[in-house]
Amino acid sequence: SQQGEEDPQALSIQEGENATMNCSYKTSINNLQWYRQNSGRGLVHLILIRSNEREKHSGRLRVTLDTSKKSSSLLITASRAADTASYFCATGDNYGQNFVFGPGTRLSVLP
Amino acid sequence: DTAVSQTPKYLVTQMGNDKSIKCEQNLGHDTMYWYKQDSKKFLKIMFSYNNKELIINETVPNRFSPKSPDKAHLNLHINSLELGDSAVYFCASSGTERGFPGELFFGEGSRLTVL
Repeated sequence: SQQGEEDPQALSIQEGENATMNCSYKTSINNLQWYRQNSGRGLVHLILIRSNEREKHSGRLRVTLDTSKKSSSLLITASRAADTASYFCATGDNYGQNFVFGPGTRLSVLP
Repeated sequence: DTAVSQTPKYLVTQMGNDKSIKCEQNLGHDTMYWYKQDSKKFLKIMFSYNNKELIINETVPNRFSPKSPDKAHLNLHINSLELGDSAVYFCASSGTERGFPGELFFGEGSRLTVL
């Protein structure tokens, strides 16, 4: 069953602006991860946040997790054209066996 | 050194044929996966193996048969290919983090086109 749902489906911003993507999920999770996929390439892991964490930072990335609302957000600050990609959230269940991906947000950063 | 490598990168074949995609990881991970990404970019898990043992087998036609000769390899064989099998197939692996699967490392994908 589909777990994560990203929002918006597509986002277009100017270089230097911040980009925020949201992810909602349905069942209990052990962790939530964000991935980036450039066109024609495999997915690359960006950040993992555990269910007992509320916020995590990595460079220009900031991820929040609200388990009461079953939602997460990914903020990319000071975006660059190279950030143009699709971004996916993936939830890891408490059985530790499966990751379920949402349909992704396509981010376009215009120079 | 490529962490997760899969071959071939592109595969074009006729309906009814049988084809295989190979995957190897050199990260020492215990768990490997096959994901299918459709034309709308939706990524769906097909199979997961842990130390050569099948642990996830989602609702996938039995024309798809994974094989794991050792924990560094997970191959995917597809029999009697159909048009709907056209997609990009991704292999991935993960280690463990505090007893649960950690981040996934993906291969570059194998784009299968069935004519």
